[in-house]
Amino acid sequence: AQKITQTQPGMFVQEKEAVTLDCTYDTSDQSYGLFWYKQPSSGEMIFLIYQGSYDEQNATEGRYSLNFQKARKSANLVISASQLGDSAMYFCAMKGSTLGRLYFGRGTQLTVWP
Amino acid sequence: DAGVIQSPRHEVTEMGQEVTLRCKPISGHNSLFWYRQTMMRGLELLIYFNNNVPIDDSGMPEDRFSAKMPNASFSTLKIQPSEPRDSAVYFCASSLGQGQDKNIQYFGAGTRLSVL
Repeated sequence: AQKITQTQPGMFVQEKEAVTLDCTYDTSDQSYGLFWYKQPSSGEMIFLIYQGSYDEQNATEGRYSLNFQKARKSANLVISASQLGDSAMYFCAMKGSTLGRLYFGRGTQLTVWP
Repeated sequence: DAGVIQSPRHEVTEMGQEVTLRCKPISGHNSLFWYRQTMMRGLELLIYFNNNVPIDDSGMPEDRFSAKMPNASFSTLKIQPSEPRDSAVYFCASSLGQGQDKNIQYFGAGTRLSVL
């Protein structure tokens, strides 16, 4: 079974600073994918970034990067130069090699203050 | 390109009534997922389809819930009879496939269901 753990219920960061949101996972699959989604207060789920278990480079998408440490089974999201619009709930998710379902963590509520 | 379209966005109903949620996946996607989000349980998969065939329905709570995908561009999630504990946000998501780990799931805006 797959399991995702996000230990930070809430995080605060000042505008223009960088912030790291933690995510650890557990799986027996050799091949898997890790995802981060953003859920603003309006409720939609927005895909941010993907990391494959065999990818040697850490994924980056604009101000988002994924700090992937396979041996430690962690996939932390780094947001650089935070903006007020980054305030939202952030979910880490994992997909195994066979089934299509995503397993989600409980999320981290990020608040960016001026 | 239009994203995943869900309707209605909000649904308020009384206990015992039938509720039908609708989803149109992204054109060309062949996997469709129904998730439910609650404060207590977080985001959990209810069922998913690949090429219109149900693959994993282990998350469907009970017989009151049923899901269909009659064609590649439409799916429904039905609750009959509805109960207050069914109150949640229901998301539909679609992806290009299921097996490869790179298949990103794109979510609809969700349906917020309130059962009184």
